[in-house]
Amino acid sequence: FMLTQPHSVSESPGKTVTISCTGSSGYIASNYVQWYQQRPGSAPTTVIYEDNQRPSGVPDRFSGSIDRSSNSASLTISGLKTEDEADYYCQSYDSNNVVFGGGTRLTVL
Amino acid sequence: QVQLQESGPGQVKPSETLSLTCSVSGGSISSFYGSWIRQVPGKGLEFIGYISYIGTTHPNPSLKGRVTILVDTSKNQFSLQLSSVTAADTAIYYCARRVGANWFDTWGQGILVTVSS
Repeated sequence: FMLTQPHSVSESPGKTVTISCTGSSGYIASNYVQWYQQRPGSAPTTVIYEDNQRPSGVPDRFSGSIDRSSNSASLTISGLKTEDEADYYCQSYDSNNVVFGGGTRLTVL
Repeated sequence: QVQLQESGPGQVKPSETLSLTCSVSGGSISSFYGSWIRQVPGKGLEFIGYISYIGTTHPNPSLKGRVTILVDTSKNQFSLQLSSVTAADTAIYYCARRVGANWFDTWGQGILVTVSS
């Protein structure tokens, strides 16, 4: 299956941005979704796991949600900071595979 | 705190086998699934596969047949072999710890492998 993300989004510091992740078929409705942040030159780090859980150390400005009716997941970042500028990847799985979305470049300008 | 470190050749010739090792410190490979994920520079992430400490593997179906993942609990390591490589296999290869419901909470720093003659 596939996960589709917008190629890029941009927003101003202090504002709120939402990045979407749409799954083919009904996989998002059936399996957990994770979100990873990747800054240039660094490995990805988890900002959301199991749909809406934040790992220790991730600020509560980051939140995740699922809309099963539209088979989509969303990552919302509020109170944007310049340090949030990065690539964000959603990830889910089915019985056969683990799949990543194509990634969304967030620009904070 | 678990840390992961990839090692191996930075260049492999076309048609040969890419071999990488992930060394685990701060914890035991016997407590999690060791995973491999790659990223073509400037592109997205691609799941390669993972292995349990008893050797059960789960490769990406699109790479099946070329991927071998092994675990060595005595050395606290797991490894990746990718056969018959082409230029399309040039990528940064990450090892990662798979936890919970199929997500990755700890990543190595990544190693760039270039396929070139």
